[in-house]
Amino acid sequence: QVQLVESGGDVVQPGRSLRLSCAASGFTFSSYGMHWVRQAPGKGLEWVASLSYHGSNKYYADSVKGRFTISKDNSKNTLYLQMNSLRVEDTAVYYCAKDSSIAIRCFDNWGQGTLVTVSS
Amino acid sequence: DIVMTPTPLALSVTPGQPASISCKSSQSLLHSDGKTYLHWYLQKPGQPPQLLIYEVSNRFSGVPDRFSGSGSGTDFTLKISRVEAEDVGVYYCMQTIQLPLTFGGGTKVEIK
Repeated sequence: QVQLVESGGDVVQPGRSLRLSCAASGFTFSSYGMHWVRQAPGKGLEWVASLSYHGSNKYYADSVKGRFTISKDNSKNTLYLQMNSLRVEDTAVYYCAKDSSIAIRCFDNWGQGTLVTVSS
Repeated sequence: DIVMTPTPLALSVTPGQPASISCKSSQSLLHSDGKTYLHWYLQKPGQPPQLLIYEVSNRFSGVPDRFSGSGSGTDFTLKISRVEAEDVGVYYCMQTIQLPLTFGGGTKVEIK
């Protein structure tokens, strides 16, 4: 079955960088779009970034555009989120999610999430 | 941005009774391909979200048939025919027709 396992979450100071990873298994990783969604403590869900199956088309929320980069390595079945210039408001659980299509249709499987805390 | 507005924000339901959650979008979610990109997710306590219903009315694999979705254009409804204790959590609607992708703020369902 589909498995998505996030890692890389940590406590970091404002302005620093962090890279999240999402190891995928149980499906043909190279054939599906992938996404990152975050959830601040006690809050709702916020879409962060998406990319298409081949990794060429990338989309970002305005709140992270220019600071975060989504990418994937199809040879390693891994999705990444490079987060630069982190802000206190980036504190959240970050989930990776698989799409049901090659790009954006619906998020049909989610990982357990990894916690990023930005604090001085 | 498309704003997704759920109603109600919280719901307390007796087991075995029905429940209904509405979601209104600020723009039509009907795509030119004929599909409507409105989906429902349930986030149980301490867990990640899970897909319940995609494209308004299609139950995802393994979702019990007590869950059903309906609606069109800008008005959508998720119904639970007979609520069970395991249905507690926060229900989110989400649109994927337009960037930025947006979620409703969630409806918290608890058991009486």
